[in-house]
Amino acid sequence: GQSLEQPSEVTAVEGAIVQINCTYQTSGFYGLSWYQQHDGGAPTFLSYNALDGLEETGRFSSFLSRSDSYGYLLLQELQMKDSASYFCVFYGQNFVFGPGTRLSVLP
Amino acid sequence: NAGVTQTPKFQVLKTGQSMTLQCAQDMNHNSMYWYRQDPGMGLRLIYYSASEGTTDKGEVPNGYNVSRLNKREFSLRLESAAPSQTSVYFCASSRTGDNYGYTFGSGTRLTVV
Repeated sequence: GQSLEQPSEVTAVEGAIVQINCTYQTSGFYGLSWYQQHDGGAPTFLSYNALDGLEETGRFSSFLSRSDSYGYLLLQELQMKDSASYFCVFYGQNFVFGPGTRLSVLP
Repeated sequence: NAGVTQTPKFQVLKTGQSMTLQCAQDMNHNSMYWYRQDPGMGLRLIYYSASEGTTDKGEVPNGYNVSRLNKREFSLRLESAAPSQTSVYFCASSRTGDNYGYTFGSGTRLTVV
């Protein structure tokens, strides 16, 4: 089955920029999504990329390179409230969630 | 606008007991899903229903059954609970082929002792 790889933890300070990478296997690929999940909460949708390039939504941007089977989520002007887990999600016949990256934003 | 509503929010079961987790959405979505999330891990698909009247197995279906009661409701049943089913269960819905992703319920935290 599909498996995705992303770093388990990332730490950054308020106001900084952080990039969370994700690699996936290419079989049956339609697109790559990103979700945010705060502790004890439900995942919430952040972005979706089906084509190569950068999609920007406010402070968050997501990038996809289909030829490299690679994507990333870029978070700018980090705020304390951005401390959460971030999941890349392979969109094929169904969604397959990556293991998640826990982002800690320090003051 | 309630979105996706799951009940109950918390449940403790003894090994061998049965229970049904309820999920309802009011967004007129065609597709509904049940996921489980174990500590420190991503979500794994248990079952899904692409449309009313259809259900299919996901990655980890063993020990579970589902019913798509109507377009709004999708229930998950544990017939004989086991400690390995201790997890957080999320229901989600989406429009078929929608690139805007899933809307998740708030989750059911299940402990099997």
